[in-house]
Amino acid sequence: KNQVEQSPQSLIILEGKNCTLQCNYTVSPFSNLRWYKQDTGRGPVSLTIMTFSENTKSNGRYTATLDADTKQSSLHITASQLSDSASYICVVSDRGSTLGRLYFGRGTQLTVWP
Amino acid sequence: EADIYQTPRYLVIGTGKKITLECSQTMGHDKMYWYQQDPGMELHLIHYSYGVNSTEKGDLSSESTVSRIRTEHFPLTLESARPSHTSQYLCASSAKQGVSDEQFFGPGTRLTVL
Repeated sequence: KNQVEQSPQSLIILEGKNCTLQCNYTVSPFSNLRWYKQDTGRGPVSLTIMTFSENTKSNGRYTATLDADTKQSSLHITASQLSDSASYICVVSDRGSTLGRLYFGRGTQLTVWP
Repeated sequence: EADIYQTPRYLVIGTGKKITLECSQTMGHDKMYWYQQDPGMELHLIHYSYGVNSTEKGDLSSESTVSRIRTEHFPLTLESARPSHTSQYLCASSAKQGVSDEQFFGPGTRLTVL
């Protein structure tokens, strides 16, 4: 069964600190992996996308890594800000259909305290 | 920010009412999607469309129906709302970009059925 598991479920950090969110997946065949940020009451917004051949990609203070062999990804947030408080969702796409089926994790709820 | 809009943002209605959730995008995307999301849970695909006059059911069984008469418009209708329909409904659209279809999400409609 294709699945996406994220950890931790929730995380509280102080402003200015770094953190790392984890994503393990079993989706096959693999096409790409995205990290989305979802603010409360809003739709998800894409932060990064990684294909099979990429093992790291940065977007400002966000750095995503991918190990396609172990089927693991991480999202590292540097120098956290209050506006980073949100749910971070790992989404994996397969190559099994024209639709490019997406598999969603449940997200990690990050809270940044001042 | 993506040009995809949903109305209403919040809706509280009584059991048995008919409702239509509106979704429009101005990006000319062929593919559109409806997801259902409960708090702390992953997004579940309930409907999708490849283009005008194309509609398909998603992975999660839903009593709602959709239509795609115009490229930019993908409304979702519930003929008789029930408390079990209480959830957040997210609309998304996508177009082929490189190796993947990035899905752009609307802000969502928070539906509460009393």
